[in-house]
Amino acid sequence: NAGVTQTPKFQVLKTGQSMTLQCAQDMNHEYMSWYRQDPGMGLRLIHYSVGAGITDQGEVPNGYNVSRSTTEDFPLRLLSAAPSQTSVYFCASSADGLETQYFGPGTRLLVL
Amino acid sequence: AQTVTQSQPEMSVQEAETVTLSCTYDTSESDYYLFWYKQPPSRQMILVIRQEAYKQQNATENRFSVNFQKAAKSFSLKISDSQLGDAAMYFCAYRFPFSGTYKYIFGTGTRLKVLA
Repeated sequence: NAGVTQTPKFQVLKTGQSMTLQCAQDMNHEYMSWYRQDPGMGLRLIHYSVGAGITDQGEVPNGYNVSRSTTEDFPLRLLSAAPSQTSVYFCASSADGLETQYFGPGTRLLVL
Repeated sequence: AQTVTQSQPEMSVQEAETVTLSCTYDTSESDYYLFWYKQPPSRQMILVIRQEAYKQQNATENRFSVNFQKAAKSFSLKISDSQLGDAAMYFCAYRFPFSGTYKYIFGTGTRLKVLA
């Protein structure tokens, strides 16, 4: 098993550009989520999904979109990048939302 | 609203000694889950230990144990026989109790330094 994979590892964007952060897991987990990690802020939940076709907002959803068309994939879209979205983004998955969360290695995003 | 507070931005411990990391939380729920995660420089998030609020017995995993005080809403992590590999950021996390959601609240983290 590859676990949770994220691409790209590092990305530089200009203000106003859009992009999609990819997240995939091969553990057949129903639950997936996206977090951002900023210095001194810990991890903050952006969006999560409890199964294919079902998504919901977390703590800081503005400026981000998600969809879950398959169990394996949970992409995060930045609609119009802003410098405030400079952060490290983590994807996580879990079998039933109560068990261990498995985190991806993170994507570092820099918005200029 | 639920909150998680880690009041120690940084802690140091001598190798082979014991250290305790503090975490307090606020919730009106009676049933929930609490976690400690470790984040080494590789940035991977690694589960250290988990506690179900309905269980009175404190969770233990090898050298890691928790002191769960439900009434005080306190969830501290004790690391015994500290090793150099324990150096990392440690995050306390609260998991909302409702099925059908997948919401966690994380604390701001404690950086643990292990001195040789």
